[in-house]
Amino acid sequence: DVKVTQSSRYLVKRTGEKVFLECVQDMDHENMFWYRQDPGLGLRLIYFSYDVKMKEKGDIPEGYSVSREKKERFSLILESASTNQTSMYLCASSRMYNEKLFFGSGTQLSVL
Amino acid sequence: SQQGEEDPQALSIQEGENATMNCSYKTSINNLQWYRQNSGRGLVHLILIRSNEREKHSGRLRVTLDTSKKSSSLLITASRAADTASYFCATVTSGTYKYIFGTGTRLKVLA
Repeated sequence: DVKVTQSSRYLVKRTGEKVFLECVQDMDHENMFWYRQDPGLGLRLIYFSYDVKMKEKGDIPEGYSVSREKKERFSLILESASTNQTSMYLCASSRMYNEKLFFGSGTQLSVL
Repeated sequence: SQQGEEDPQALSIQEGENATMNCSYKTSINNLQWYRQNSGRGLVHLILIRSNEREKHSGRLRVTLDTSKKSSSLLITASRAADTASYFCATVTSGTYKYIFGTGTRLKVLA
């Protein structure tokens, strides 16, 4: 079965720090996604990538950037962390457009 | 319902009962998917129904889709304590890469 691995389950950072969230999938999927999940707001798409070095902004890209240098790895970068970026971050991948998503276990990020 | 007003946002039932949750959406879709999330974890895909399908079954799950009403329902039959989780629908909009998630229904199954 597909495995999507996020590097950390819990992360605590200070405001202004640069934060890297890593995601690796092991099934050669074309598409990878970063979502954040907040109570009452559901999942909101930050960025997605449909190929190596290709990326598209989602609904809430401000304050974030991404990197996809290799097909299996998709990194989310918080350039200067702020308290309003405290959230659960979920990485997902899919083989093709429209198909089911495979999610990682999530990273609960707290920015103090 | 999800992706709009929740109905219900939360649901509490006894083991063995059926659970029904609803999802509404606003745009033309390619397919609609249901996911489960156990507390504090990632989402797990349950079932996908295409826009030209009206009903689909998978084990104890039954999903219906009414494209004229832009709504879907997920029925879990003979629920178990292990079904306690949040359930999300996601619509895949035609012509985009976007999966739009609802805000979820929290299901609690009491033993």
